[in-house]
Amino acid sequence: NAGVTQTPKFQVLKTGQSMTLQCAQDMNHEYMSWYRQDPGMGLRLIHYSVGAGITDQGEVPNGYNVSRSTTEDFPLRLLSAAPSQTSVYFCASRRDGNQPQHFGDGTRLSIL
Amino acid sequence: AQSVSQHNHHVILSEAASLELGCNYSYGGTVNLFWYVQYPGQHLQLLLKYFSGDPLVKGIKGFEAEFIKSKFSFNLRKPSVQWSDTAEYFCAVIGGYQKVTFGTGTKLQVIP
Repeated sequence: NAGVTQTPKFQVLKTGQSMTLQCAQDMNHEYMSWYRQDPGMGLRLIHYSVGAGITDQGEVPNGYNVSRSTTEDFPLRLLSAAPSQTSVYFCASRRDGNQPQHFGDGTRLSIL
Repeated sequence: AQSVSQHNHHVILSEAASLELGCNYSYGGTVNLFWYVQYPGQHLQLLLKYFSGDPLVKGIKGFEAEFIKSKFSFNLRKPSVQWSDTAEYFCAVIGGYQKVTFGTGTKLQVIP
């Protein structure tokens, strides 16, 4: 089992560029989430999904899109990168709504 | 709204000292509670969880936590810390609508 796999691990973008952060899990988990981690702010939820075809916004969704066409994959799209989106992004999955989360290794994203 | 407070942002201890990290949550209904640890440069890993039953739960690496419902608290403890416990610790709660809320984290530095 690979668990939760995120790619890329590091990325540098210029302001205005778009990109997709990939997240895949092989545990057949229904719930998947994207978080950003910034110093002193803990983890903030960007978007989440409770199953294929179902997504919803978290607390900081602006500037990001998601889709969930399969149970395994939950990509996060930055539409037009801004320096404020410089952060470490974590994808997480859980079997159902009451279970602990399994985290990927994160993507360190810098926007210049 | 559901929230989690970790009042200690940065804790410095000498090896063999005892540890207690505070976590308080606000939610009036049934909750599931978690502590995660994030070692430098790594992703979050589950330390322990509380769903129901005995309010004193034991986790990995000698950590334990006590759920005190009347105080809305779930403090993390370890009798004797080691240098390898240097990490950031996050408390999390699952409450209404199976929503996960994380605290802002406590950085623990253990001095040899």
